[in-house]
Amino acid sequence: DGGITQSPKYLFRKEGQNVTLSCEQNLNHDAMYWYRQDPGQGLRLIYYSQIVNDFQKGDIAEGYSVSREKKESFPLTVTSAQKNPTAFYLCASTGGREVSQPQHFGDGTRLSIL
Amino acid sequence: GQNIDQPTEMTATEGAIVQINCTYQTSGFNGLFWYQQHAGEAPTFLSYNVLDGLEEKGRFSSFLSRSKGYSYLLLKELQMKDSASYLCAVTDSNYQLIWGAGTKLIIKP
Repeated sequence: DGGITQSPKYLFRKEGQNVTLSCEQNLNHDAMYWYRQDPGQGLRLIYYSQIVNDFQKGDIAEGYSVSREKKESFPLTVTSAQKNPTAFYLCASTGGREVSQPQHFGDGTRLSIL
Repeated sequence: GQNIDQPTEMTATEGAIVQINCTYQTSGFNGLFWYQQHAGEAPTFLSYNVLDGLEEKGRFSSFLSRSKGYSYLLLKELQMKDSASYLCAVTDSNYQLIWGAGTKLIIKP
């Protein structure tokens, strides 16, 4: 079955440490997205990529970095510069360029501070 | 600024009908999505509206009024498994998705 796989499901970060969240999709989608979800708030866009080797900052990119070396993969690194990283992180993808195309989501990674 | 408003929480009874409202103020409009999200899980797509009117899909229907900046999601014959958060999201003039904070729906037997 096609879908989006995020790993790990739970992740703990120590002070001063960078951690990388994995996102892989086998839907052959061009566009991929990273969101952060905090209690009581809407999804906030961190980074997105419309095509391989290209990505754009979202609304809250500071303290995060991404790469898009392969169509299937869009890993997110939470750097030590992100002072409040505790949140639920969701990866999504979209097929086609029609605005009506919904985003498909992975099951998320919950990141906490040790 | 851009803003989407939804009630934070609603409670309904199994077998009943519930309407979840969403109002938006965005720079342009290119469609409105509704998603369902169970606790700790991924959001899943429910409906998309770009023209005024009602879209029906089984027990779920979604309504849009562009002139009023208003949408609602109508859930009929509520089941316990419908307990979840319901997210409203609008595509603005730059084709960016703006998300509401979600409405947590609690179903009681």
